[in-house]
Amino acid sequence: HVQLVQSGPEVKKPGASVKVSCKTSGFTFTNYYIQWVRQAPGQGLEWMGLVYPGGGTTTYAQKFQGRVTMTWDTSTSTVYMELSSLRSEDTAIYYCAREDDATDYWGQGTLVTVSS
Amino acid sequence: QAGLTQPPSVSKGLRQTATLTCTGNSNNVGNQGAAWLQQHQGHPPKLLSYRNGNRPSGISERFSASRSGDTASLTITALQPEDEADYYCSAWDSSLSTWLFGGGTKLTVL
Repeated sequence: HVQLVQSGPEVKKPGASVKVSCKTSGFTFTNYYIQWVRQAPGQGLEWMGLVYPGGGTTTYAQKFQGRVTMTWDTSTSTVYMELSSLRSEDTAIYYCAREDDATDYWGQGTLVTVSS
Repeated sequence: QAGLTQPPSVSKGLRQTATLTCTGNSNNVGNQGAAWLQQHQGHPPKLLSYRNGNRPSGISERFSASRSGDTASLTITALQPEDEADYYCSAWDSSLSTWLFGGGTKLTVL
């Protein structure tokens, strides 16, 4: 069955970077887009970008251009999201999700806390 | 920047019907429709409806999605206590080349 399992919680200082992983299984990794979505405490969902390993492409939301890098490792069916120059407003739960016309399977989420 | 507009909250009684709306424009909802997601506190979102209105396997027939022009709707019939949650719509914007989310609607079942 389809699974997306994310890495554990992170605590970072302002200005640092964080890299979150999303290990997938149960489907053909190169046939699907993987999206990254975040949710600040008590707030709604915010789209960050997506990768398409099969086509070797990435698309980032304008808000995160220059600060986010999404990569993947086909050998382990794992997608990574790295966010740099962290600030307190980046404190949020970060989710990866498989896209098949919509985000049909989601990871459990990774809490990233940015605090001095 | 373009966005999807949802009412912040809706309250309905047990066993009643709730209709949630999501308004976009011709580049997103009006183009390819909107998907609907349900999120309970402390959990990841769960897909209720694809952009074409189809339900994923395992989703109750009490949830149905539709679209009229630039507005998508999610209708939930025979409301149950477990339907109390946040509901989000999402759509691809072909002009911005980005996925958009609505701000979410908090559904309260009285």
